[in-house]
Amino acid sequence: AQSVTQLGSHVSVSEGALVLLRCNYSSSVPPYLFWYVQYPNQGLQLLLKYTSAATLVKGINGFEAEFKKSETSFHLTKPSAHMSDAAEYFCAVSDRDSGNTGKLIFGQGTTLQVKP
Amino acid sequence: NAGVMQNPRHLVRRRGQEARLRCSPMKGHSHVYWYRQLPEEGLKFMVYLQKENIIDESGMPKERFSAEFPKEGPSILRIQQVVRGDSAAYFCASSPAGSRTDTQYFGPGTRLTVL
Repeated sequence: AQSVTQLGSHVSVSEGALVLLRCNYSSSVPPYLFWYVQYPNQGLQLLLKYTSAATLVKGINGFEAEFKKSETSFHLTKPSAHMSDAAEYFCAVSDRDSGNTGKLIFGQGTTLQVKP
Repeated sequence: NAGVMQNPRHLVRRRGQEARLRCSPMKGHSHVYWYRQLPEEGLKFMVYLQKENIIDESGMPKERFSAEFPKEGPSILRIQQVVRGDSAAYFCASSPAGSRTDTQYFGPGTRLTVL
């Protein structure tokens, strides 16, 4: 069965510092991976996705993620944190074990705090 | 182009009552997913529907929960005889084709509180 694990439920950085949110996946087949952001009391918004094209994926708001098969990782980074980046971030894998349904399996989420 | 609409945004029910959550997908999308977010947890898949068909309900509790997506109108997630453990945020997402690589667009969610 496929799964994702997000290391660190809370990450705190200073404004202007590097953001690194970790995600590791488990999959017996090539995965499709997604990062979503959730602001308080809102739905999820797609940041970026990996669907077996380029391994370095650029998303919105200056975020990017690199797919590393050897490390089974898909970490999310941003060179310089902004106060508006404070939110909860979810890594997800598209379930390929149950047919082509597209349902997502989410990690537990990482809350990003940005300090002034 | 309106996004995914969910209503109500907040719903309060007493134990034993019924809860009905509505989801209108984005225009042109005929695939709907429902997810539940329990406190301090990530989102868990519940059910995947196309118009008039339930495709995958492997994440639905066996009792009290049902979902539909009629030919006309929104998708409905129905919870009968609610219990306190049903308190959660329920999110609906839609996609154009329901494939593994499609982006799912999420609504703002319905936050259900059971007293």
